[in-house]
Amino acid sequence: AQKVTQAQTEISVVEKEDVTLDCVYETRDTTYYLFWYKQPPSGELVFLIRRNSFDEQNEISGRYSWNFQKSTSSFNFTITASQVVDSAVYFCALSERIQGAQKLVFGQGTRLTINP
Amino acid sequence: GAGVSQSPRYKVAKRGQDVALRCDPISGHVSLFWYQQALGQGPEFLTYFQNEAQLDKSGLPSDRFFAERPEGSVSTLKIQRTQQEDSAVYLCASSSSPSGFTQYFGPGTRLTVL
Repeated sequence: AQKVTQAQTEISVVEKEDVTLDCVYETRDTTYYLFWYKQPPSGELVFLIRRNSFDEQNEISGRYSWNFQKSTSSFNFTITASQVVDSAVYFCALSERIQGAQKLVFGQGTRLTINP
Repeated sequence: GAGVSQSPRYKVAKRGQDVALRCDPISGHVSLFWYQQALGQGPEFLTYFQNEAQLDKSGLPSDRFFAERPEGSVSTLKIQRTQQEDSAVYLCASSSSPSGFTQYFGPGTRLTVL
């Protein structure tokens, strides 16, 4: 079965520091998708990125960047020059095939606190 | 545009009561998912609809849980004879793709069973 491990339960940094959230996954599928979601205190899961298993190019979006390494089954997320508004719980997720679709298998989440 | 909405946002039930949780997906989205998120955990899959067809319900924890989407739009998750272990946030997600990429989530319903 698919599994996602986010070993860091909580991270606390001072504003403007860079921070990396780790994600390691296990899958038997040759084709799969990886995701990152942000869950602010309001509770809604906000989609950040989707990555196809065939595309190992790193991606940058503003202060956010993602490093996908198939060889180590990792999909890490870095926030550069963190801001207080980045404080949230971040979830890494992996697709798993079900009948007719792909469900998401989530990690336990990493609670990120950015202190002013 | 409007995102996924869920109601009620908070529900308190006495043990043994039945509850119904509603999800309004993004207009036109064919795929709809329900997830359960226990405190301090990641969401876990419950069930999936493609239009009105429930194609997978393997994540429903017991036969007290029932979901429907009769017209392929709004969905209702019903829990009968609630138990304390049912206390969780119930998240609904929808996707424009029949296969489910990418899923957009609602704010969730926090259910507390006393």
